[in-house]
Amino acid sequence: DTAVSQTPKYLVTQMGNDKSIKCEQNLGHDTMYWYKQDSKKFLKIMFSYNNKELIINETVPNRFSPKSPDKAHLNLHINSLELGDSAVYFCASSQEQGGGETQYFGPGTRLLVL
Amino acid sequence: AQSVSQHNHHVILSEAASLELGCNYSYGGTVNLFWYVQYPGQHLQLLLKYFSGDPLVKGIKGFEAEFIKSKFSFNLRKPSVQWSDTAEYFCAVKRPHGGGNKITFGTGTQLKVEL
Repeated sequence: DTAVSQTPKYLVTQMGNDKSIKCEQNLGHDTMYWYKQDSKKFLKIMFSYNNKELIINETVPNRFSPKSPDKAHLNLHINSLELGDSAVYFCASSQEQGGGETQYFGPGTRLLVL
Repeated sequence: AQSVSQHNHHVILSEAASLELGCNYSYGGTVNLFWYVQYPGQHLQLLLKYFSGDPLVKGIKGFEAEFIKSKFSFNLRKPSVQWSDTAEYFCAVKRPHGGGNKITFGTGTQLKVEL
């Protein structure tokens, strides 16, 4: 069974469209994350949710809106897509207990904006 | 703000060569340290981590890393690399107190192992 899953795996879309990426974890973790990995492989955190509550919101355009319907899901909705949004988006989860917890990553969603 | 530096961006080695990838961080307080690996086309996987105890940490696939607090370093080592170690390696740092669960990743080191 896949611990952290993301759909879709690939997403090709036109500029200006709105799209969503879904993430689900079956590890029972209470914290989930979204990361963006650019073409140079630089990995940067975007958001973190703990028990459905937003706890990290990095400097991300407000076109990006995370939604956590329950602690096993963290979806990412992107409005008015731009060329610069092309990247690989990784979801991750962890069970936070005060330090040292491992983050488990999903397979990534490769977004290409044309 | 904390930062993580990986000075080697691209490393090319022959099989059986020894590996050391550098990682330095800027935060002076208590830190948790991680090395993740990303094989071509795949997601990140944890190689090893340090959060307390013995500063020499053993990970999977023969990797180890040493935490040297005085040098703010957490270098990754492997005595003899294999072709299958070709991947991108990321060092990451977390502040367990006051960091808000945030992990900061380094820019990555691309390792290519040639036969």
